[in-house]
Amino acid sequence: QSVLTQPPSVSAAPGQKVTISCSGTSSNIGNSYVSWYQQLPGTAPKLLIYENNKRPSGIPDRFSGSKSGTSATLGITGLQTGDEADYYCGTWHDNLSGWVFGGGTKLTVL
Amino acid sequence: EVQVLESGGGLVQPGGSLRLSCAASGFMFDKYGMTWVRQAPGKGLEWVSSISGSGSDTFYAVSVKGRFTISRDNSKSTLYLQMNSLRAEDTALYYCAKDNGYCTNNDDCYPGYYLAVWGKGTTVTVSS
Repeated sequence: QSVLTQPPSVSAAPGQKVTISCSGTSSNIGNSYVSWYQQLPGTAPKLLIYENNKRPSGIPDRFSGSKSGTSATLGITGLQTGDEADYYCGTWHDNLSGWVFGGGTKLTVL
Repeated sequence: EVQVLESGGGLVQPGGSLRLSCAASGFMFDKYGMTWVRQAPGKGLEWVSSISGSGSDTFYAVSVKGRFTISRDNSKSTLYLQMNSLRAEDTALYYCAKDNGYCTNNDDCYPGYYLAVWGKGTTVTVSS
C-alpha cells in the first residue's frame, strides 16, 4: 500500500483532457514539493512536473501540475496515443526522511 | 548532457551481497543529493535510499535499513549501493537518480525536491 493515493487507471479519447489526483497528508504533500514522473512502457521514469507546477525543459505545456493542501493534481490536455504510460506522484516525507510515491496511474488513450 | 548510468546488477542467492554503481556525468556531482529507487516486476516505484552531496548524511527505507549502505565517491562522480543479506523481495530494477534539493550554508546539498534525471536501471534478481 502506497503512502500517496492515486487512482489505478484513467482513460480518455485522443484530444481530450484528463486529470490524475494524488492524495497525501500534512507530513508529506502538505509540507513538501510534489513532482510527477512519466514512465512509458519498458522505459525508466522521466520527470514531468517539479516543485508542484513547473515543467522541465522539453516537456510540452499540455502537461500541468497543481497542489492544494495535502493533494496534488496532474493535468494532461490534447491527449495523444504517445501519452499512454504510467504516471507517478512523489514527494519527500519529513517523518520518514525519504521519498514516498503514489502507486501509479495507468493512462489509456482510447 | 546530464546522465546517470547504473551497473552491477545480477543474479544472487538469498543471503548474498551485491554492489551497485551509478556513474554520473554532465553536472557538478558533489553539489547534488543522489537517490536509489527500485521497481519490482509489475509494481510501482519504491524509494530505497538517498545521500547528501558531501556524503555526510544518508537516508534509508525501513525495508532496507541495516542491510543496504549508500555511499558516493565524489572524485569519481560515482554513487554506490552495497546490498547485503539480500532477500527474494529485493528483486527489482534499481534506478539511480540525480536528486535536486536544497543546499545549506555550509554548502552541503540535500535530496528531496525532485528526481531530475534517472538512469535506465540495473536488474537485481535474488533467487536460489
